[in-house]
Amino acid sequence: NAGVTQTPKFQVLKTGQSMTLQCAQDMNHNSMYWYRQDPGMGLRLIYYSASEGTTDKGEVPNGYNVSRLNKREFSLRLESAAPSQTSVYFCASNRGALNTEAFFGQGTRLTVV
Amino acid sequence: KNEVEQSPQNLTAQEGEFITINCSYSVGISALHWLQQHPGGGIVSLFMLSSGKKKHGRLIATINIQEKHSSLHITASHPRDSAVYICAALSGSRLTFGEGTQLTVNP
Repeated sequence: NAGVTQTPKFQVLKTGQSMTLQCAQDMNHNSMYWYRQDPGMGLRLIYYSASEGTTDKGEVPNGYNVSRLNKREFSLRLESAAPSQTSVYFCASNRGALNTEAFFGQGTRLTVV
Repeated sequence: KNEVEQSPQNLTAQEGEFITINCSYSVGISALHWLQQHPGGGIVSLFMLSSGKKKHGRLIATINIQEKHSSLHITASHPRDSAVYICAALSGSRLTFGEGTQLTVNP
């Protein structure tokens, strides 16, 4: 039982390059989330998927796209990376009902140069 | 003003000390989470509470819904408690995070 698995753990991109961050959970959770964490700020929600087949924008969705491939997997895509997207990205999941514990991946440290 | 504010931002303690981290929020919530982030970066959930108090080992979390305030206490602190502690308020389906409190416990 691995919980929430994110790949890659580290990535360096050049401005304008694209990449996809992968996230998978094995807890049969309905809801999955992508956050970014920047110095001096709390985690901010980029996109979330309340259930398989649905996705919605969070606080900071610009420059990102997501795909809920199936119940297990939720990917985050940067189509044309910008230095402002340098951050640590976390995927999380929970059962989806209110008041349920969230489980986080280990994070992806992304640097855009 | 952030919807969720934590204090202090940084806290240094000696091993064995009693530690308190505070979290205030300005929105109506259904639950409040306390999370721990270790230097390696991983985030783990410590508590989720909507009223009263919860205890797990040396960690105690309390919440006062009327005052919109929660505290995380660590008794008999240990260097392995050194981490960033984050509170997050659940309002509707949205989690809003505080900036975190960096705790360092020296031996």
